[in-house]
Amino acid sequence: AQSVTQLDSHVSVSEGTPVLLRCNYSSSYSPSLFWYVQHPNKGLQLLLKYTSAATLVKGINGFEAEFKKSETSFHLTKPSAHMSDAAEYFCVVRFSMFSGGYNKLIFGAGTRLAVHP
Amino acid sequence: GAVVSQHPSWVICKSGTSVKIECRSLDFQATTMFWYRQFPKQSLMLMATSNEGSKATYEQGVEKDKFLINHASLTLSTLTVTSAHPEDSSFYICSAKGTRFRSDTQYFGPGTRLTVL
Repeated sequence: AQSVTQLDSHVSVSEGTPVLLRCNYSSSYSPSLFWYVQHPNKGLQLLLKYTSAATLVKGINGFEAEFKKSETSFHLTKPSAHMSDAAEYFCVVRFSMFSGGYNKLIFGAGTRLAVHP
Repeated sequence: GAVVSQHPSWVICKSGTSVKIECRSLDFQATTMFWYRQFPKQSLMLMATSNEGSKATYEQGVEKDKFLINHASLTLSTLTVTSAHPEDSSFYICSAKGTRFRSDTQYFGPGTRLTVL
């Protein structure tokens, strides 16, 4: 069964410092993994996705994530936080076609990122 | 491109009434739409998957007679909360998967906040 665990419910950083949001997944097959961001009163926006191509995935707004199969992790990073990065971030795994429900997305609990001046 | 809208953005209703929420793909055709529910400070939970012209597939534990989903066209899906009660108060989010865009990406609407008094 597929599942995803976000290890931190809240992360607080200073502007200009690195961001690390941690995510571990469980999947019987090669997973498709995503990071979405949710700003208040706005729809979820796709930051990046991993679908079995390059393990280091670059996304929008300077974010990137590395797929590590040995660690079953897909952590999200950004070298330098900006005030506008403050939001809720969701790590998401997509059901693989072999387990049925091919298009189902399973969301992690979310990590709220606060960025201080 | 790939914009999904929801209407209304928020609604307050009395207990026992029904509320309809619309989800539209504005610039693409969506063969599949998804409805999620998000409780405060929690993650998104998939309620149902709807394909244009066919009955929706509900997740376990979701009452199909209470949450009526109609996907009558390639750009519109509706969720009707029938005989709403205070426990139905939540944030409802739809997403759409298109035919002309990359098929593994869901595009999310901004959500509808329902408050049942």
